[in-house]
Amino acid sequence: EAAVTQSPRNKVAVTGGKVTLSCNQTNNHNNMYWYRQDTGHGLRLIHYSYGAGSTEKGDIPDGYKASRPSQENFSLILELATPSQTSVYFCASGRRISNERLFFGHGTKLSVL
Amino acid sequence: AQKVTQTQTSISVMEKTTVTMDCVYETQDSSYFLFWYKQTASGEIVFLIRQDSYKKENATVGHYSLNFQKPKSSIGLIITATQIEDSAVYFCAMREGWGYQNFYFGKGTSLTVIP
Repeated sequence: EAAVTQSPRNKVAVTGGKVTLSCNQTNNHNNMYWYRQDTGHGLRLIHYSYGAGSTEKGDIPDGYKASRPSQENFSLILELATPSQTSVYFCASGRRISNERLFFGHGTKLSVL
Repeated sequence: AQKVTQTQTSISVMEKTTVTMDCVYETQDSSYFLFWYKQTASGEIVFLIRQDSYKKENATVGHYSLNFQKPKSSIGLIITATQIEDSAVYFCAMREGWGYQNFYFGKGTSLTVIP
């Protein structure tokens, strides 16, 4: 079973501060994704990556940057955190093959005060 | 426009009964893949079952099965003999074509199984 580990599990940040959410996967998947989950919106895609060195914008990328320094690691960066970014963030990984499912991390609960 | 729509926000059923959760999708692709995921009370998201658009047979895994109605762009999740531990939020998702990388998720349906 593929393992996707997110850190931290919980984070409290101040408005205007920088926040980095980290994700590590151990199954050598090419694709990695960052989603946020909010009540009434389900899972919305922020950024994704096809492999080391690549990042692509998802549906709601404003206010977020992403970094994929290696096959295993994918980070989500909030340069200037705002209260509207308070949410639960999920990292996921998967293979390039279209009928293959995603493997999700356990989520990071971020509160921006 | 929402590509994947789950109209049922929440459902309550009695234990040991059968429940169906609805999902409709929009795509122009001739080949696509439909998934159902379950999010438990702890927040963990787990994969349940998948339907490939080119397959006529409805997928079945354990007490989960799908009702795939391609002309209606519909993929319902059926849970038979529901158990208390089936209480969770269920998400429908779609991935289009071969090589396209994104998944589109519905907003989820919250299921409560009453003992």
